[in-house]
Amino acid sequence: NAGVTQTPKFRVLKTGQSMTLLCAQDMNHEYMYWYRQDPGMGLRLIHYSVGEGTTAKGEVPDGYNVSRLKKQNFLLGLESAAPSQTSVYFCASSYGQETQYFGPGTRLLVL
Amino acid sequence: KNQVEQSPQSLIILEGKNCTLQCNYTVSPFSNLRWYKQDTGRGPVSLTIMTFSENTKSNGRYTATLDADTKQSSLHITASQLSDSASYICVVSARGGYNKLIFGAGTRLAVHP
Repeated sequence: NAGVTQTPKFRVLKTGQSMTLLCAQDMNHEYMYWYRQDPGMGLRLIHYSVGEGTTAKGEVPDGYNVSRLKKQNFLLGLESAAPSQTSVYFCASSYGQETQYFGPGTRLLVL
Repeated sequence: KNQVEQSPQSLIILEGKNCTLQCNYTVSPFSNLRWYKQDTGRGPVSLTIMTFSENTKSNGRYTATLDADTKQSSLHITASQLSDSASYICVVSARGGYNKLIFGAGTRLAVHP
C-alpha cells in the first residue's frame, strides 16, 4: 500500500498562474481532505469530501477549488495564485471520521 | 471560539531524558483528542487517540493523558531517542454532523546526543 500520495512535491508559481495539486489514496477511504500548513499555525482545512462526487468548504476555502471525480483522487486547484497561498499543502484521507492519514505534502511558493 | 494551544513552542532535550508536552483546548462539544507526530518534511502520523472517558493512553514510549474537566492533555515521552526529534501536534475533534478537527500549532522537539 502506498497510502496517501501527493504530486507534485514542490512547485514555484508566479502570481496569477494556475495549477492543480493531485492527491491519491489506495486505502478505499470515503473521506478526503486538503489542508494548508503555515509557520506558527495549526493545519487549516481548505476543502473536504465525504464521498465520490461530493465536496464541501472548510475553514479557508477562498481562492481554491476541488473535485472528487473518483473515490481515490482528490484534486485541489488554484485558479489565480497569490503570494498569500505560499504554503505547504497536505492531503489526508480517513475511513469515516476515524484517524486521518496524511500525505507527504506539497510545498508551494508563489512569487 | 474553538482553540487548541500547545506549550512549549519548542524544546531541546538530551537523548535518554524524559519530557512532557502540554495541550490546552477550548473545544465544544468535545469528541476526542489525538496526538500526531510530524517529522520534518513529512505529513503528520497519529500516535494516540482518547475519548472523553479515557484519561491515559500509551503507545510504546509515548503516554498521553487527558483531563476533560480542566480541558488539558499532555504527551509524555520516556527515554527519548534521536528519532523523537519532530513536531508534536495536539488535535481536538468537535462533535457534529461533520466532526471538525482543530489543530494546535505544535511543539517542536529536538533531541540532542
